[in-house]
Amino acid sequence: DTAVSQTPKYLVTQMGNDKSIKCEQNLGHDTMYWYKQDSKKFLKIMFSYNNKELIINETVPNRFSPKSPDKAHLNLHINSLELGDSAVYFCASSPRDAGANVLTFGAGSRLTVL
Amino acid sequence: GNSVTQMEGPVTLSEEAFLTINCTYTATGYPSLFWYVQYPGEGLQLLLKATKADDKGSNKGFEATYRKETTSFHLEKGSVQVSDSAVYFCALKKPPLGQNFVFGPGTRLSVLP
Repeated sequence: DTAVSQTPKYLVTQMGNDKSIKCEQNLGHDTMYWYKQDSKKFLKIMFSYNNKELIINETVPNRFSPKSPDKAHLNLHINSLELGDSAVYFCASSPRDAGANVLTFGAGSRLTVL
Repeated sequence: GNSVTQMEGPVTLSEEAFLTINCTYTATGYPSLFWYVQYPGEGLQLLLKATKADDKGSNKGFEATYRKETTSFHLEKGSVQVSDSAVYFCALKKPPLGQNFVFGPGTRLSVLP
């Protein structure tokens, strides 16, 4: 059973389109995240939700909108896609703060904007 | 703010060579420290962690010691294998509140047979 699963794994689309990436975790974790990894492998936090509540919202264009229908799901919707949005997007989850809890990552969703 | 600095890669070694990847951090208080590894085409996986000064994290032959006096958490392995080829990320997290992990830029390791 995959702990953190993302779909789709690959997404190729044209500039200006709207697309969504879905994420689900079956670990019972309270907190979920979206990270963006650029072509140089640099990893940047975008959003974090704790039990459906937004708790981290880094400087991200408002074309990016996360949605958490329940604590096991965190989806990412992107409007009006731009070339610079091309990256690998990782979903992750962690238990609620209790010492040095750790992140469990999904396999990533590679978005290519043409 | 909190930040993590890693040695720039790529690092290329021959099989059985000794590995060191340097990591230093800036943070107020007492963060927990982590090394994550990303194999080609996969997500990041936890490699090891340390939660307080002088703790040593270890896994799969890798080790790192939490050095508060030098604010460092260098990753070492005595004898690398081809299968260790991956990108390695150093990271920190501030307890007890706050959900944000801060990652370093990653160091790509290539091990040649």
